[in-house]
Amino acid sequence: DAGVIQSPRHEVTEMGQEVTLRCKPISGHDYLFWYRQTMMRGLELLIYFNNNVPIDDSGMPEDRFSAKMPNASFSTLKIQPSEPRDSAVYFCASSPSSGLAGGPADTQYFGPGTRLTVL
Amino acid sequence: QQPVQSPQAVILREGEDAVINCSSSKALYSVHWYRQKHGEAPVFLMILLKGGEQKGHEKISASFNEKKQQSSLYLTASQLSYSGTYFCGTMRGSWGKLQFGAGTQVVVTP
Repeated sequence: DAGVIQSPRHEVTEMGQEVTLRCKPISGHDYLFWYRQTMMRGLELLIYFNNNVPIDDSGMPEDRFSAKMPNASFSTLKIQPSEPRDSAVYFCASSPSSGLAGGPADTQYFGPGTRLTVL
Repeated sequence: QQPVQSPQAVILREGEDAVINCSSSKALYSVHWYRQKHGEAPVFLMILLKGGEQKGHEKISASFNEKKQQSSLYLTASQLSYSGTYFCGTMRGSWGKLQFGAGTQVVVTP
């Protein structure tokens, strides 16, 4: 299995520009998570989807952030306009359903991350 | 609410043991442990459900004390490959948000 795929791996942009991060989850996984990791705040959950539907976006920091999952094999996280404080590593993770209760399984499989630098 | 991990960092010689703790002020359903090597993604190690069970992964084991709402990760006879940052993630219900702690950096030296 190819694992979770993220692109780009590195992104450097200038303040005010639009940034789009992409994620392809593991085939067959029903859950998709977007995390942000910084030294100051650690690993934070931004939003997660179940069967392409956003379930909890309470971690999305501001209206400048938006996420979509148009189909089971693709998700995007968009920042518009970007600011220097958005600089971080953004991880996408996916998980299969647990079965009985329908919730995510124990394990979340993380992608390699996108290192975003906003100048 | 973010769980609290301690210590923040630990330096070990190969073969030595270490304990990493993860505490929550709220009742937990499960505790998840991940390890992240520098520049890489976090990798799942194990999950512990309420009930006080213990689990193991190679020579790494963990326990969950439901009364204290605390989980401990035990690195036994540490190997160089154990170096990395260990994160605990906690979940208050059977499914939902995973709240990660700030991480514990482990350095194993020869």
